Amino acid sequence: NAGVTQTPKFQVLKTGQSMTLQCAQDMNHNSMYWYRQDPGMGLRLIYYSASEGTTDKGEVPNGYNVSRLNKREFSLRLESAAPSQTSVYFCASREVRPLNNEQFFGPGTRLTVL
Amino acid sequence: DAKTTQPNSMESNEEEPVHLPCNHSTISGTDYIHWYRQLPSQGPEYVIHGLTSNVNNRMASLAIAEDRKSSTLILHRATLRDAAVYYCILNYGQNFVFGPGTRLSVLP
Repeated sequence: NAGVTQTPKFQVLKTGQSMTLQCAQDMNHNSMYWYRQDPGMGLRLIYYSASEGTTDKGEVPNGYNVSRLNKREFSLRLESAAPSQTSVYFCASREVRPLNNEQFFGPGTRLTVL
Repeated sequence: DAKTTQPNSMESNEEEPVHLPCNHSTISGTDYIHWYRQLPSQGPEYVIHGLTSNVNNRMASLAIAEDRKSSTLILHRATLRDAAVYYCILNYGQNFVFGPGTRLSVLP
C-alpha cells in the first residue's frame, strides 16, 4: 500500500516550458487535490477533483490545468511555466463520505522555474 | 474565506504537554477544524479533526471552544519527533484553508 505517490520528485524548467506533474493513489479515494507551498508559507489549493470525471478550481488556479485520468490518477499541467510557479507541489487524496475524513498527502514535487 | 491565526513559533521541553492555540473567529457552522503537521521536506500529516465536541486520538487531543471561534491542539507528552510545523485548517466541503502554521521546537 504505497498511499499517494508523486513524480517527479524534482524538476527544473526554463520560463515558457511545459510539464505535467503526476499523482496516483491506491486507497480508492474519490477526492484528489493539488496544492502548492511557497517558502515559509502554508499550502494553497490549486485544483481539486471531488470524484472521477469532475474538476474544480481552488484558491490559485491561474496558470495550471488538471486532468482526472481515472479514479487513481490526477495530473497537474503547467502549459507555460513562469518563475512565479517555483514552489513545492503536493498532491493529496481523501474519502469524504460517510464521514468528514482526513487528507493523505504525497511527498511533493520541488519545481524550480528559471 | 474563513481564516485561521496561529503563533509563529512555540517551544516545549521533551515529555511535557504542549498546547497549540488557533483562532478562527470567522468560522461558519459547517466548517470542520483539522490539524496537520509537516516535518521538513515532507508532505503534511494528519493529526486530528473535529466539528463541535472535543476529540481524542492516539496522537493528540483537540479542544474546541464552545463558540467555536478558537481551538487548541494538545500533545500530551512532547517528544523530539513532534518537532514540526503544525497547521490549523478550516475545512468546508472540498476546501481546506491552511493557516500560516506554528513551528514547534522540542528541547531535550
